[in-house]
Amino acid sequence: GQQLNQSPQSMFIQEGEDVSMNCTSSSIFNTWLWYKQEPGEGPVLLIALYKAGELTSNGRLTAQFGITRKDSFLNISASIPSDVGIYFCAGEGTLNYGGSQGNLIFGKGTKLSVKP
Amino acid sequence: KAGVTQTPRYLIKTRGQQVTLSCSPISGHRSVSWYQQTPGQGLQFLFEYFSETQRNKGNFPGRFSGRQFSNSRSEMNVSTLELGDSALYLCASSLSGQNYEQYFGPGTRLTVT
Repeated sequence: GQQLNQSPQSMFIQEGEDVSMNCTSSSIFNTWLWYKQEPGEGPVLLIALYKAGELTSNGRLTAQFGITRKDSFLNISASIPSDVGIYFCAGEGTLNYGGSQGNLIFGKGTKLSVKP
Repeated sequence: KAGVTQTPRYLIKTRGQQVTLSCSPISGHRSVSWYQQTPGQGLQFLFEYFSETQRNKGNFPGRFSGRQFSNSRSEMNVSTLELGDSALYLCASSLSGQNYEQYFGPGTRLTVT
């Protein structure tokens, strides 16, 4: 089945630094989403991407839908302590002919730690 | 607008028992999906309901089942609990039949002893 490879698994950065994480797959995806999960909570939707090549920002967050439809990246600029959490990429699964499979497939997550 | 709510938040059960978890989607959302989250396997799709019909199902045994009511509220049931069923069960709702832009609830933490 379709899988998403998310990297890095974890990051330890200093407050104020920029962060970059990415997701790749051998399969194409119709939609890419980025979520953030904090301890004891469900994932919160950060950014949704719908078109290959699309670049979308949400405050200090910027995400791009890869041109091949097989990857996406998320950048966080000028990190702050409240950015701490696990970031997940997710893709809308596709069937062989490109139609929607009807469910989200998630990467394993990137755990972000920010040192004040 | 209220978010997705899940009850109960925490549950402890014994092997062999069964459990029912509840999810109330965001008002107006008709699609409800369920996921199991564990440290080892991450987030895995269980099933998705739309207009009271199961449209998609993940690769889980038949012990896992669900249903959706006419008000879009959903329940999932796990029968004959096993230790490996200990996990965070997350419910997500979306506006329509398309499953992108899913909004998650806080989850139900199930511990099986």
